[in-house]
Amino acid sequence: KNQVEQSPQSLIILEGKNCTLQCNYTVSPFSNLRWYKQDTGRGPVSLTIMTFSENTKSNGRYTATLDADTKQSSLHITASQLSDSASYICVVSAGRDDKIIFGKGTRLHILP
Amino acid sequence: NAGVTQTPKFRILKIGQSMTLQCAQDMNHNYMYWYRQDPGMGLKLIYYSVGAGITDKGEVPNGYNVSRSTTEDFPLRLELAAPSQTSVYFCASSGTSGRMSYEQYFGPGTRLTVT
Repeated sequence: KNQVEQSPQSLIILEGKNCTLQCNYTVSPFSNLRWYKQDTGRGPVSLTIMTFSENTKSNGRYTATLDADTKQSSLHITASQLSDSASYICVVSAGRDDKIIFGKGTRLHILP
Repeated sequence: NAGVTQTPKFRILKIGQSMTLQCAQDMNHNYMYWYRQDPGMGLKLIYYSVGAGITDKGEVPNGYNVSRSTTEDFPLRLELAAPSQTSVYFCASSGTSGRMSYEQYFGPGTRLTVT
């Protein structure tokens, strides 16, 4: 069964600290993996997208990694800011039928 | 570009009422989607369209209908609202790469409550 599991469910850190969010998937065949940021009351906004051959992709203070062998991805946030408080959603696409599977997200709270 | 727009932002319906959620995009995208997001859950695909005149069911289509008469618009119709349809609805679109899983752009969402 195609699944995307994210951990932790929620995370609280102090402003300025780094953090890493995890995504494990069982989607097959793998096509691409995306990380989205969803602010409260808004639609998701794309942060990074990685295909099978890419193992790291950066977008400012956000760096995503992908290990296609172990079917794991992480999103690392450096020097967190209050505006990073949001849900972060991992989305994996299956290659054959273009099925898109969303994780439940990690809720990140940045405290001043 | 306004991107993907949705109306209304909020709506309260009584059980059995009908309504249409509007979605429009101005990026000339072929692909459009409707998702629902329940609290603490991932987005679930309701319907999608790969172009004007073509629609198909997603994961949770029961209780909904869609149409795609133009490239720009993709309305979602609820015929007989039920409490189980209380959710936040997101419309999304993606570009003309020929693949459904190309990067998606989301609207701001419509929060619907059925009582």
